[in-house]
Amino acid sequence: DAMVIQNPRYQVTQFGKPVTLSCSQTLNHNVMYWYQQKSSQAPKLLFHYYDKDFNNEADTPDNFQSRRPNTSFCFLDIRSPGLGDAAMYLCATSGYDRMRGGYTFGSGTRLTVV
Amino acid sequence: SQQGEEDPQALSIQEGENATMNCSYKTSINNLQWYRQNSGRGLVHLILIRSNEREKHSGRLRVTLDTSKKSSSLLITASRAADTASYFCAKMTTDSWGKLQFGAGTQVVVTP
Repeated sequence: DAMVIQNPRYQVTQFGKPVTLSCSQTLNHNVMYWYQQKSSQAPKLLFHYYDKDFNNEADTPDNFQSRRPNTSFCFLDIRSPGLGDAAMYLCATSGYDRMRGGYTFGSGTRLTVV
Repeated sequence: SQQGEEDPQALSIQEGENATMNCSYKTSINNLQWYRQNSGRGLVHLILIRSNEREKHSGRLRVTLDTSKKSSSLLITASRAADTASYFCAKMTTDSWGKLQFGAGTQVVVTP
């Protein structure tokens, strides 16, 4: 089945130690998104790629970076994780007609910072 | 900033009852979408309603949209224990270039 896969499901990292979360998709969707969701809160958009075009949200901290080496893969890099970065990170995709369809989400990666 | 609010924040019902949750928004939308999130999991797309539509159905789900009041509601009929989840509305505003803005969600608990 076509899907969005996030690895790992759970990630524990040390304070200040760089960490990378990965997302892959078999839907051939051109748009990929990264959301941060803290406990009992709304998912918050960090950035998205429209094909190779990177779009950062104005309030996304510089500590967060992203890479999209090809259509199928997208990575979220946190350069120096702080305790406040502990959250669920959700990857999502949508097709070219993104104004008309819904997003497909992965199962998320729960990041713990110790 | 988040687009609008969801009401109620939490809802507890028994199996067989209907569950209704509401979502308000502030600016013009292209469409509004509802998602379900089971505990510790990703979001699952339930239904999308466009700004020129007033009501849509999908199985036991019914979504209404009132653009004059800038509000939407999600009704789950004949609820089941498996419907226990958080439900989020997400707005695709006309100036967002396809980006979804999520509300804080309604946590629904359905007890057998």
